[in-house]
Amino acid sequence: DTGVSQNPRHKITKRGQNVTFRCDPISEHNRLYWYRQTLGQGPEFLTYFQNEAQLEKSRLLSDRFSAERPKGSFSTLEIQRTEQGDSAMYLCASSSGGGRYEQYFGPGTRLTVT
Amino acid sequence: AQSVTQLGSHVSVSEGALVLLRCNYSSSVPPYLFWYVQYPNQGLQLLLKYTTGATLVKGINGFEAEFKKSETSFHLTKPSAHMSDAAEYFCAVSDRGKLIFGQGTELSVKP
Repeated sequence: DTGVSQNPRHKITKRGQNVTFRCDPISEHNRLYWYRQTLGQGPEFLTYFQNEAQLEKSRLLSDRFSAERPKGSFSTLEIQRTEQGDSAMYLCASSSGGGRYEQYFGPGTRLTVT
Repeated sequence: AQSVTQLGSHVSVSEGALVLLRCNYSSSVPPYLFWYVQYPNQGLQLLLKYTTGATLVKGINGFEAEFKKSETSFHLTKPSAHMSDAAEYFCAVSDRGKLIFGQGTELSVKP
């Protein structure tokens, strides 16, 4: 069990550029979640997958955001035309089920939009 | 809709003193509740969880929490604080799988 990994750990980009983050979950976990955390706040849910199916998206996830999990393994989160308000920590988590099952978090990707 | 309120954004205790971090939840169904800890520039680590059964839940690093349905609370305690406990603590409730987090409580431990 190598845990959840995320790449890159840090990303600095200029406003208007596109960025993509990758999350590799714990291998046997079928659920994968994305959260966003701003300074001094708790994480906020963005979207989640069960295997390759994206089952729920938050209203926080504007049209500029897209997430995929093409083979039910790793996932990518892309932000197009970044804005300064997108600056945050993006956290990925995985679990072996919903509800009562605990989620295991990766170290996060810190995005800074200048 | 489920929600979580953490009372006190900052708590400061002396080393060896009792730690009490407060969490109240709102849920229309029997809740699944979690406490996570976050160290600077790191992801979240699970401390403990309540799903069903015993209302007093023991977790890692000497932490425990008690589920009180009548008070809609799930407060986190530790009998004796250690310097290494200084971190941000988040209470969360599961909403059909996704977690709804409180705003967090920063715990400081004074020597």
